[in-house]
Amino acid sequence: NFMLTQPHSVSESPGKTVTISCTPSSGSIASNYVQWFQQRPGSAPTTVIYEDTQRPSGVPDRFSGSIDTSSNSASLTISGLKTEDEAYYYCQSYNNDIYVVFGGGTKLTVL
Amino acid sequence: QVQLVESGGGVVQPGRSLRLSCIASGFTFNSNGMHWVRQAPGKGLEWVAVISYDGNYKYYADSVKGRFTISRDNSKNTLYLQMNSLRPEDSAVYYCARDYFPRLLRFGFDYWGQGTLVTVSS
Repeated sequence: NFMLTQPHSVSESPGKTVTISCTPSSGSIASNYVQWFQQRPGSAPTTVIYEDTQRPSGVPDRFSGSIDTSSNSASLTISGLKTEDEAYYYCQSYNNDIYVVFGGGTKLTVL
Repeated sequence: QVQLVESGGGVVQPGRSLRLSCIASGFTFNSNGMHWVRQAPGKGLEWVAVISYDGNYKYYADSVKGRFTISRDNSKNTLYLQMNSLRPEDSAVYYCARDYFPRLLRFGFDYWGQGTLVTVSS
């Protein structure tokens, strides 16, 4: 079954930069767009990146998305970390067989 | 601004049915596909179903196929999820979410509702 793999957790200090990866179990990461969602504890998810690199209005430019075909992975980079960025982050993409697939989520701790 | 408000969750016995609703506002509802996504307590996100902007195309996760039905009433700006033959493993917060590209299904989301909790238990 097609899966997206994310690190279980990452941590970094305020003001620093962190990158979260998302790797497909098969196929090219460039084949279908990747989205990224932020979910704070007790809240609904919100979209921070769509179509690999696009930011919805209202999302600060500290959040950026990228695709690396050499490592076959997508990445979410958050610069100038703030304590409010502490949350779970999920990547998501499309697969012809199962349509929508989510990564398992990455817990970001800002300490 | 775009708003999605779910309702209809609650406690239901295994084998029974429940219908969820999602009322949309702040955008032209009949322009976008709409999804249901669920999240079991303490778990990750799981996609459930999608319906195209005009209701002509519907796709389901294997875990709910044959038991759940997604539908929409564009005159009421409302999305539905009819859930039959419910199982304990269907217990989750159910979110509706908008497909981000008008008219075409891109199978990605830009706006999410706040969710409604479904608990399947005897």
